[in-house]
Amino acid sequence: DIQMTQSPSSVSASVGDRVTITCRASQGIGNWLDWYQQKPGKAPNLLIYAASSLQGGVPSRFSGSGSGTDFTLTITSLQPEDFATYFCQQTNNFPLTFGGGTKVEI
Amino acid sequence: QLQLQESGPGLVKPSETLSLTCTVSGGSVSSSYYWAWIRQPPGKGLEWIGRISFSGTTYYNPSLKSRVTISQDTSKSQFSLKLTSVTAPDTAVYYCARQEVSYLSFDLWGRGTLVIVSS
Repeated sequence: DIQMTQSPSSVSASVGDRVTITCRASQGIGNWLDWYQQKPGKAPNLLIYAASSLQGGVPSRFSGSGSGTDFTLTITSLQPEDFATYFCQQTNNFPLTFGGGTKVEI
Repeated sequence: QLQLQESGPGLVKPSETLSLTCTVSGGSVSSSYYWAWIRQPPGKGLEWIGRISFSGTTYYNPSLKSRVTISQDTSKSQFSLKLTSVTAPDTAVYYCARQEVSYLSFDLWGRGTLVIVSS
């Protein structure tokens, strides 16, 4: 299985901050990498697919980059509704696997 | 607007079978997508369980493959999950999700249902 390692596991930030979350795959996955946001008690919501493509309806302050084994999710100018947990997921190989999550806290 | 809704027992006894159904409303189980199950133990990360295509082809997580069956009833716009011989570690929120066939992203999720394995 491809292991997905996210860092940090949590980050404290303020409204207006720029936040960067990294995700590392245990082997190369091309650009087969998605990012999800999950709020407490809710299902995950797709933010970024194919490493850098913004899902429809997602604010442009979210962006993704990377390929191969190293990926980043960047939130520019953090908004109150962005405090949540973020997961990366690889879709290159079965079984599909997720990172452990990064909690963005106030 | 397409919606997914999980249904099934919230409590299952150890060694018994967990059975959940996902109903697709506002649309149908389309060939343009795969239909998947994902679970999340309380306070933990996400685990992909498996998926089914419109043609009925299934893929399962090898860690669960011996215990999992995903099936569908396209006439009812439903797909289902069965997990046999459950134990306490199978306690989780179970989500059904739609998976886009090109990029394999999960672009639509149900609200999730908590299943507790306990006697």
